[in-house]
Amino acid sequence: LAKTTQPISMDSYEGQEVNITCSHNNIATNDYITWYQQFPSQGPRFIIQGYKTKVTNEVASLFIPADRKSSTLSLPRVSLSDTAVYYCLVGKGANNLFFGTGTRLTVIP
Amino acid sequence: KAGVTQTPRYLIKTRGQQVTLSCSPISGHRSVSWYQQTPGQGLQFLFEYFSETQRNKGNFPGRFSGRQFSNSRSEMNVSTLELGDSALYLCASSPGGGYKDEQYFGPGTRLTVT
Repeated sequence: LAKTTQPISMDSYEGQEVNITCSHNNIATNDYITWYQQFPSQGPRFIIQGYKTKVTNEVASLFIPADRKSSTLSLPRVSLSDTAVYYCLVGKGANNLFFGTGTRLTVIP
Repeated sequence: KAGVTQTPRYLIKTRGQQVTLSCSPISGHRSVSWYQQTPGQGLQFLFEYFSETQRNKGNFPGRFSGRQFSNSRSEMNVSTLELGDSALYLCASSPGGGYKDEQYFGPGTRLTVT
């Protein structure tokens, strides 16, 4: 079961781009990389998922280098409402996912 | 489409008691997973059910059990409650639990054991 390593916390000012990097040295060939966002007292919410190279959706981008041992979640122009815990997961789809401790992002006005 | 619902939202129990938590997945979703979240251990995977069968299991003692009904609704039971079982229990559903399936989480049940 692949485990991940993320920074415990990050601070950013409103309007800046935030990049959160996750290490997953033991990622398996069939594993996908998924990022979730969690607000206090709520369940996690899916942000983005990828396998390799770059994936972009309306809220974030995910950069995955060729060796897939790490990935970077990029949040463009963060706002106060982006203050949350961000989890990087690797696994085979929806089951057997290891969430880790996540990165607590605080957006400062 | 309605989201994942969990009942009850809050629960207070005494050590030694047992508790049953309920989860109703999104309509059409057949995979239901349960997680325990505590400040110290973070989010930990408990088990996953698919088509009424437990398909995956995390590293929790046998006091934690679950089941899934034919309508995909799931229940989780914890017997002989301990203080350390106080946590937010989250349920998540997905269409089939496959490689690219996104999990949809419910709001959780906050269990307090006194």
